[in-house]
Amino acid sequence: EAGVAQSPRYKIIEKRQSVAFWCNPISGHATLYWYQQILGQGPKLLIQFQNNGVVDDSQLPKDRFSAERLKGVDSTLKIQPAKLEDSAVYLCASSSTGNKETQYFGPGTRLLVL
Amino acid sequence: SQKIEQNSEALNIQEGKTATLTCNYTNYSPAYLQWYRQDPGRGPVFLLLIRENEKEKRKERLKVTFDTTLKQSLFHITASQPADSATYLCALTYNFNKFYFGSGTKLNVKP
Repeated sequence: EAGVAQSPRYKIIEKRQSVAFWCNPISGHATLYWYQQILGQGPKLLIQFQNNGVVDDSQLPKDRFSAERLKGVDSTLKIQPAKLEDSAVYLCASSSTGNKETQYFGPGTRLLVL
Repeated sequence: SQKIEQNSEALNIQEGKTATLTCNYTNYSPAYLQWYRQDPGRGPVFLLLIRENEKEKRKERLKVTFDTTLKQSLFHITASQPADSATYLCALTYNFNKFYFGSGTKLNVKP
C-alpha cells in the first residue's frame, strides 16, 4: 500500500511570508497527526485529527498556525506569518482506527525561514 | 507536561555487539511506550510498543524492557549490524491521543 505522502519536500521562505504544507494519509486511516521536528529534537505533536474533527491542538501556536482536514482525508497545515524559529521539519503521520498503536510517518517537509 | 530523556551523545559500538539505548521519563507512567527508528531525511518508523503491565517485549533482534518503578525503558539490538545505524526515538502515550517523543539517540555500528 502507498505510504503517507507529503509535499513539498523542501521550502525556503523569508520571515513574515506564508507557507502551506499538504499531507495525504494512507487510504482508510481515520487519524492524522501533524508534528514539528526541530533539528536535534524529537517530533512535537501540533495537531491531531480524527476524520475531519480536531482531537487535540493544545500545542499548535494558533496565532500563526492553522490546519484543516476537509472531507476527512487530505490535510493542510499553514503558517502565516512565518518566524525564524519555525524552521523545522513538518511531519505528517496517520493511523487506522483498528490499530492506533502504529503511526505511519511521511517523509516530512523541511522548512527554512530566512 | 511529560519530560522524556534520551542520551544525546551518540552510541558507537562494534558490529556484532549488543546496543542498549535508554529512555527515561518524569511524572506519571504512560500506558504505552514506543520505540521508533529515524534515518536522515526520513520520517520515524515504528518498531515496537510495550504496555505498562509488560516487563519485556521482543521482535527478532530487538528487545524492549519497561520499568515503571525506575520510569525507564531500555531498547536492545542484539548482533548489531552497520545497517542498524540510525537515530532511535522513544515515545510515550496514555491513550494514543497525544504522543510525547524524546530527542533520540544516534547509534553508529562500525564494521
